[in-house]
Amino acid sequence: KQEVTQIPAALSVPEGENLVLNCSFTDSAIYNLQWFRQDPGKGLTSLLLIQSSQREQTSGRLNASLDKSSGRSTLYIAASQPGDSATYLCAVIPYMEYGNKLVFGAGTILRVKS
Amino acid sequence: ETGVTQTPRHLVMGMTNKKSLKCEQHLGHNAMYWYKQSAKKPLELMFVYSLEERVENNSVPSRFSPECPNSSHLFLHLHTLQPEDSALYLCASSPQGSGRTEAFFGQGTRLTVV
Repeated sequence: KQEVTQIPAALSVPEGENLVLNCSFTDSAIYNLQWFRQDPGKGLTSLLLIQSSQREQTSGRLNASLDKSSGRSTLYIAASQPGDSATYLCAVIPYMEYGNKLVFGAGTILRVKS
Repeated sequence: ETGVTQTPRHLVMGMTNKKSLKCEQHLGHNAMYWYKQSAKKPLELMFVYSLEERVENNSVPSRFSPECPNSSHLFLHLHTLQPEDSALYLCASSPQGSGRTEAFFGQGTRLTVV
């Protein structure tokens, strides 16, 4: 059974810092990995999608890497801003699962202090 | 806006009530999902619909009854719920394919069972 773990559970940093969020998964047989952002009480906003054949994806100040063989992904946020404060969720689509089912980690709660 | 709309945004219901949650997507996707997000737990998949057919029921109690009348609409019918069913219910959609596709989520319905 696929399990996804995110470390740290919570992170508080001053504005301007570069930071790394970690995601690990137990079964490397995945189709892709997706990073989401969730603001309190709201839905999920897709940040980056990395296909299993890719090593990384970039969008603005965000960079996500994927090492499928070791079951790890990292989300790098450059020059953090207070508006980046949210919960960041990592999810994988297990291989051979019908319907693109996502398996989620518990998330990292990020607070960027001004 | 992600293109996935959920209504209502908030719902309070008694344990003997019957209510329905609605999800609508205008992204041309043909797979839709219900997820449950409880406090301090990872997002859990409830149901998957692909091409309007239910392809997965993730051991969800029968007091939750999904309906997918067409590829753009998904409902979750609720009856005789328990207080522990209070949670954020999230709808998602994606193109149906080999798994190399991005999922988009709605803003969720915050359900409180009293």
